[in-house]
Amino acid sequence: SQQGEEDPQALSIQEGENATMNCSYKTSINNLQWYRQNSGRGLVHLILIRSNEREKHSGRLRVTLDTSKKSSSLLITASRAADTASYFCATVLNQAGTALIFGKGTTLSVSS
Amino acid sequence: DVKVTQSSRYLVKRTGEKVFLECVQDMDHENMFWYRQDPGLGLRLIYFSYDVKMKEKGDIPEGYSVSREKKERFSLILESASTNQTSMYLCASRWTTSSQGASQPQHFGDGTRLSIL
Repeated sequence: SQQGEEDPQALSIQEGENATMNCSYKTSINNLQWYRQNSGRGLVHLILIRSNEREKHSGRLRVTLDTSKKSSSLLITASRAADTASYFCATVLNQAGTALIFGKGTTLSVSS
Repeated sequence: DVKVTQSSRYLVKRTGEKVFLECVQDMDHENMFWYRQDPGLGLRLIYFSYDVKMKEKGDIPEGYSVSREKKERFSLILESASTNQTSMYLCASRWTTSSQGASQPQHFGDGTRLSIL
């Protein structure tokens, strides 16, 4: 069951530019998480935002959550070539410790 | 840092074989997960385990089974491998309490790329 859908599917930018990825989901959530995956590697957790939070920052990352629109966005400021990766949003539906439901991801390419 | 280790990065097996994928985590996490990742389909949950000897089916359990005899180790078993099980398999673990489990990040291994010929 696909809960989250990222948009766009692919994004190409130059170093120094900002990258924005969006995630929409279908049902009410406990929290939403963003992960990064470098080519051929596992996923790395970036940031978690709870349903009662609207915005969160971590270094060059800014995540927003709009529960009324059932959407979230991930902004990476001043992108670097090392940010080239796939980015996934994942949602947790309730407090029972259920597994994450992942979207299909956005592939970000940052060229120097 | 949490370390999740998957026993093989690449594996080639033949149809009909019984295949074991092993995953070990070093942080005493209660929850462990197995996903498969396919192009255009994203990550899909196969099985997860809340604790030792406990398991729950995910979205696509058919053709798979799991074993969790010790807290640190979670094994995925392909009972009789088929070509449609060629995929990238990812293991993850998560620390949890009854009230905080859903709010904890998952920690992933580097994956096993499995080819069934």
